[in-house]
Amino acid sequence: EVQLVQSGAEVKKPGESLRISCKGSGYRFTSYWISWVRQMPGKGLEWMGRIDPSDSYTEYSPSFQGHVTISADKSISTAYLQWSRLKASDTAMYYCARREYRSSPFDPWGQGTLVTVSS
Amino acid sequence: QSALTQPASVSGSPGQSITISCTGTSSDVGGYNYVSWYQQHPGKAPKLMIYDVSNRPSGVSNRFSGSKSDNTASLTISGLQAEDEADYYCSSYTTSSTDVFGTGTKVTVL
Repeated sequence: EVQLVQSGAEVKKPGESLRISCKGSGYRFTSYWISWVRQMPGKGLEWMGRIDPSDSYTEYSPSFQGHVTISADKSISTAYLQWSRLKASDTAMYYCARREYRSSPFDPWGQGTLVTVSS
Repeated sequence: QSALTQPASVSGSPGQSITISCTGTSSDVGGYNYVSWYQQHPGKAPKLMIYDVSNRPSGVSNRFSGSKSDNTASLTISGLQAEDEADYYCSSYTTSSTDVFGTGTKVTVL
């Protein structure tokens, strides 16, 4: 069974750093892109960016470029989303999702990681 | 990149058909046949329902269908059931090699 399992919920203070993870299983991890999607409380989905785990090539939405870093460790089939300095406005649910090509649909999705940033 | 425009809410009675629209531009919805639709129940991750405008993944009910005309894509749910009550989002690949989601539509089964 193809699965993406994300790391658990996080509570952080503004200014702190954070890295959340997304582990793929049941398929060849390097053959599919991983995208990250943000969902702020009560709001819609926003595409943040994608990574090709085979060579760690990344592409970002202009809205998120410079604010987050997407990376991957293909040896452990895991992709990451990282912040160096969190803001309260980063409070959201974050999903990872697999896709075969840049234009393929997102399928499946991870279960989501809730990030809460509060002083 | 602005979000694709969807109606905030659509409702219907059990057994009826409803259609959700998703309006973009020639740089996204109108530019490619790479429109997909996702269902999200409260507290759950989104689930793929339609891809490449009108294709259904294995396991998705044939009550769900998709289409596109110019810059507007549509999702139709026929034979509406209580379990279809959820939020629905469209998504499109863009000519800038990015992705954009719709604003989301809450479907209510009366």
